[in-house]
Amino acid sequence: AQSVAQPEDQVNVAEGNPLTVKCTYSVSGNPYLFWYVQYPNRGLQFLLKYITGDNLVKGSYGFEAEFNKSQTSFHLKKPSALVSDSALYFCAVRGSSSNTGKLIFGQGTTLQVKP
Amino acid sequence: DAGITQSPRYKITETGRQVTLMCHQTWSHSYMFWYRQDLGHGLRLIYYSAAADITDKGEVPDGYVVSRSKTENFPLTLESATRSQTSVYFCASSEPYLGGTGELFFGEGSRLTVL
Repeated sequence: AQSVAQPEDQVNVAEGNPLTVKCTYSVSGNPYLFWYVQYPNRGLQFLLKYITGDNLVKGSYGFEAEFNKSQTSFHLKKPSALVSDSALYFCAVRGSSSNTGKLIFGQGTTLQVKP
Repeated sequence: DAGITQSPRYKITETGRQVTLMCHQTWSHSYMFWYRQDLGHGLRLIYYSAAADITDKGEVPDGYVVSRSKTENFPLTLESATRSQTSVYFCASSEPYLGGTGELFFGEGSRLTVL
């Protein structure tokens, strides 16, 4: 069965410091991995994805994520956090062999960036 | 405007009433999805559709009905609303095949309160 785990409910970081939001996954076949961000009272916005190729993926707003096949992880990172990065972040996965198009989402991690 | 739109954005209803949440997308994506978002549960899939006239159950389908007579529309109906269906509902679309890689594009959400 496919699953996604985001082990931290909340991550706190000071503005200007690097941030990491963790995600591990379990899927049949090769994974297609995604990160989304949700600001208050808004829908989810796509940040970045890993399909194949380079393990380091760059996305919107200066975010990047590193795919690690041996650790089945896809952690979201940013070198220097901004207060405006404070939001709810979701990791999602789909197996390459999936024929349903469904994404499985993690529970979400709240990122709090303090000035 | 291009994109995915949901209506109404906010709805208050009473137990036992029928409610329909509308979703319209302009991309001609083949797949559409309905998720509900609740505190502590993240995003849970209610129903999805691979094409017009093709729908399937997700993780939490009980109490909901969907239809998809046209590719661009995917309404969600609560036939007899219950308090446990108080939630924020998100519609999404994607094109996981035909050259797409399957990221979901979300609407802004419909906040439903059942009294």
